Amino acid sequence: DAGVTQSPTHLIKTRGQQVTLRCSPKSGHDTVSWYQQALGQGPQFIFQYYEEEERQRGNFPDRFSGHQFPNYSSELNVNALLLGDSALYLCASSLRQVGSGANVLTFGAGSRLTVL
Amino acid sequence: AQSVTQLGSHVSVSEGALVLLRCNYSSSVPPYLFWYVQYPNQGLQLLLKYTSAATLVKGINGFEAEFKKSETSFHLTKPSAHMSDAAEYFCAVSDRGNTGFQKLVFGTGTRLLVSP
Repeated sequence: DAGVTQSPTHLIKTRGQQVTLRCSPKSGHDTVSWYQQALGQGPQFIFQYYEEEERQRGNFPDRFSGHQFPNYSSELNVNALLLGDSALYLCASSLRQVGSGANVLTFGAGSRLTVL
Repeated sequence: AQSVTQLGSHVSVSEGALVLLRCNYSSSVPPYLFWYVQYPNQGLQLLLKYTSAATLVKGINGFEAEFKKSETSFHLTKPSAHMSDAAEYFCAVSDRGNTGFQKLVFGTGTRLLVSP
């Protein structure tokens, strides 16, 4: 059973460019969340998608946007890249279960973005 | 706002020694608490979670954690360290909302070093 897959694994961009990262959730999962992990830091929540709509958003500027497709896969887009956007971007998927307690997130290995 | 504090960015133990990784949370009500492990170039793997059942939670790979409300702590322990335990460990918290949408707030992580 494939878990969460992310692509690309590594990429290098320059300031001002735009980037798109992709995520395929674990089979059976319907919710996708994105986290940014800067070097030496813990992951920070960017946003979460369910039924193709953004459901929650962390403290990130509008340059960060996303999308979820009917097959539950997701994209993270970052416009006007800054040096500070260099980080590991983690995708996590889960199955939404209302009222059943803490839903377990399954994380992918991440996409490492370097902005020069 | 919820937060977690992990004391010690690095912890060094000898193989066979007790592992103790500290985590304190800040929340107005007892939250859900998690410990994740991250190996190099990999995503996050769930070790264990606390959701208000037993306060002593057993996880994978011999790890366990105890929820102490009076101390607002959720420290991770393992009786005997193994070389394969060397990794980055993250404590995380989420609120008890019943919407089925999970948003995690992570600590800054503790790197566990295991020497022969």
